[in-house]
Amino acid sequence: GAVVSQHPSRVICKSGTSVKIECRSLDFQATTMFWYRQFPKQSLMLMATSNEGSKATYEQGVEKDKFLINHASLTLSTLTVTSAHPEDSSFYICSPRWDGGETQYFGPGTRLLVL
Amino acid sequence: AQSVTQLDSQVPVFEEAPVELRCNYSSSVSVYLFWYVQYPNQGLQLLLKYLSGSTLVKGINGFEAEFNKSQTSFHLRKPSVHISDTAEYFCAVSDNSGYSTLTFGKGTMLLVSP
Repeated sequence: GAVVSQHPSRVICKSGTSVKIECRSLDFQATTMFWYRQFPKQSLMLMATSNEGSKATYEQGVEKDKFLINHASLTLSTLTVTSAHPEDSSFYICSPRWDGGETQYFGPGTRLLVL
Repeated sequence: AQSVTQLDSQVPVFEEAPVELRCNYSSSVSVYLFWYVQYPNQGLQLLLKYLSGSTLVKGINGFEAEFNKSQTSFHLRKPSVHISDTAEYFCAVSDNSGYSTLTFGKGTMLLVSP
């Protein structure tokens, strides 16, 4: 399978600060990047979809000004949680896919805890 | 649009016993089907996928699944489970355009005990 990395794997921050999560596809070009969040014992919830060089498309209920997504290159996408609050505490997972590819691969996830 | 139903939220089983995790889907178009496994505090790992062709699909770690179009099912099976198979299993579906997003089921927790 494809190799996907996320950094950091775990982050603890104070309420009101911003956190940047990086996702890298190490062995293929990710023309599309999906960002998910997962609450404990729940399934993955799609937050947004981005295509390289374009603005992200956000799912209903996801604040685009709070969850900033940058997909400037085919191997790197970032998710920035701005002015994080405790309710943003979650597990964030990226999922890159190449153009026309039928399979999504997933990063190892980032555990965010906002105090 | 597609939807996925995983009927069991939790499946307890003894080591070396067989197991089946159920997955049903609905879609108005042809689909691709996937099973992913998630170990605690990790991302999702692809177990197997059905794109076309043979309806019996073999994956990693001894798992297999069978696509049944008439029953709109894609159940996951393993003839003999190990303690290390304890994890959350997600069934997912997408349309077969290659450009759509995955729709996930709610997951099934497989608990293997000695």
